[in-house]
Amino acid sequence: DTGVSQNPRHKITKRGQNVTFRCDPISEHNRLYWYRQTLGQGPEFLTYFQNEAQLEKSRLLSDRFSAERPKGSFSTLEIQRTEQGDSAMYLCASSPLRGFGELFFGEGSRLTVL
Amino acid sequence: RKEVEQDPGPFNVPEGATVAFNCTYSNSASQSFFWYRQDCRKEPKLLMSVYSSGNEDGRFTAQLNRASQYISLLIRDSKLSDSATYLCVVLTSGTYKYIFGTGTRLKVLA
Repeated sequence: DTGVSQNPRHKITKRGQNVTFRCDPISEHNRLYWYRQTLGQGPEFLTYFQNEAQLEKSRLLSDRFSAERPKGSFSTLEIQRTEQGDSAMYLCASSPLRGFGELFFGEGSRLTVL
Repeated sequence: RKEVEQDPGPFNVPEGATVAFNCTYSNSASQSFFWYRQDCRKEPKLLMSVYSSGNEDGRFTAQLNRASQYISLLIRDSKLSDSATYLCVVLTSGTYKYIFGTGTRLKVLA
């Protein structure tokens, strides 16, 4: 399977714990995106990378959220001191460098904070 | 005001009906526009890009009105399989940040 891969697919954690999600994009794609989606809402932009550079981060993102893409390949999204409001589906997407093309999404990582 | 706004629906239509969705965007510098489809509990997938002159793909027609800052999607001869959430997506000039609307739910009834 050469699509975008995310893991874990499901994570249940207690409030205050840290969680980390991993995204492996399509191999030749330079751009990688993180979105958050809650029920009845569209995907909300969190951040994106071009290769290893984090080019933009949503102002809505608190300091508890951090994302990395150390070698321009896979990316991690860490949420520290989780809160119940962090419960959501975290979606990763990748796109090629040329043009304004299609975003290819992974199946997402569902976070439940108890 | 949200950057991209859509009527959340749901739109319940009979098979064979024609249905239209609109989407408005607030940033006049927006440069590229798309419609994505999201099935229940699945990831979004590109349905079609929206070109300035309008474009058609089978039963689907997308239109862009830059002056009024809205995008539309028309679905003709609706099928049961068209039941999904349709997401309007906008890309702003000078950035590669794709902004999604809240989505419009469509349910096609037998």
